[in-house]
Amino acid sequence: QVQLVESGGGVVQPGRSLRLSCAASGFTFSSYGMHWVRQAPGKGLEWVAVIWYDGSNKYYADSVKGRFTISRDNSKNTLYLQMNSLRAEDTAVYYCAREDHGPGGPDAFDIWGQGTMVTVSS
Amino acid sequence: DIQLTQSPSFLSASVGDRVTITCRASQGISSYLAWYQQKPGKAPKLLIYAASTLQSGVPSRFSGSGSGTEFTLTISSLQPEDFATYYCQQLNSYPLHFGGGTKVEIK
Repeated sequence: QVQLVESGGGVVQPGRSLRLSCAASGFTFSSYGMHWVRQAPGKGLEWVAVIWYDGSNKYYADSVKGRFTISRDNSKNTLYLQMNSLRAEDTAVYYCAREDHGPGGPDAFDIWGQGTMVTVSS
Repeated sequence: DIQLTQSPSFLSASVGDRVTITCRASQGISSYLAWYQQKPGKAPKLLIYAASTLQSGVPSRFSGSGSGTEFTLTISSLQPEDFATYYCQQLNSYPLHFGGGTKVEIK
């Protein structure tokens, strides 16, 4: 079945790095734009980053620009998020999500992973 | 950036009630709006996309309307499984912000 599974979360000290992975299955991964969305404890959803289906374009939220890098390996059906210079305010559940798109552009995030928790604390 | 303002942020309702949630965009986004439902400890679930198109498998008691800057999500008859938090999201331009959420609780 169509599935996204995140991994790589954990507890990390401020200023350190962490890389998240999102393994896709059940669909043609290389045909879809992919996103990272995060949710701090008790808070709402925050869009983090997008990478186009072929990796040709990437966009980031201002809160992570210059610190986080989104990438993908279409041969491995895997999405990544490299997080550097982590801060306490980056503490959140991180979700990967598939972008469903119509002729006019993105329609919605139709498939989500279960999330992986990142805690930034000394 | 396009900001989304949801109202109310909290709503108390009874089973069988008709519920309406509003999402206002800081500038026109045509129909590039989606609605999601999230239950505690779970990932969000897509309900509506393109402002008014029901995602496959979503019950028909959910409906969406609007275009430009004002949008609504309506649940025609609230069911026990509908108690959750609802988010709107604009997909007109990056960054793809979400609204602040509306928590629907049992009265």
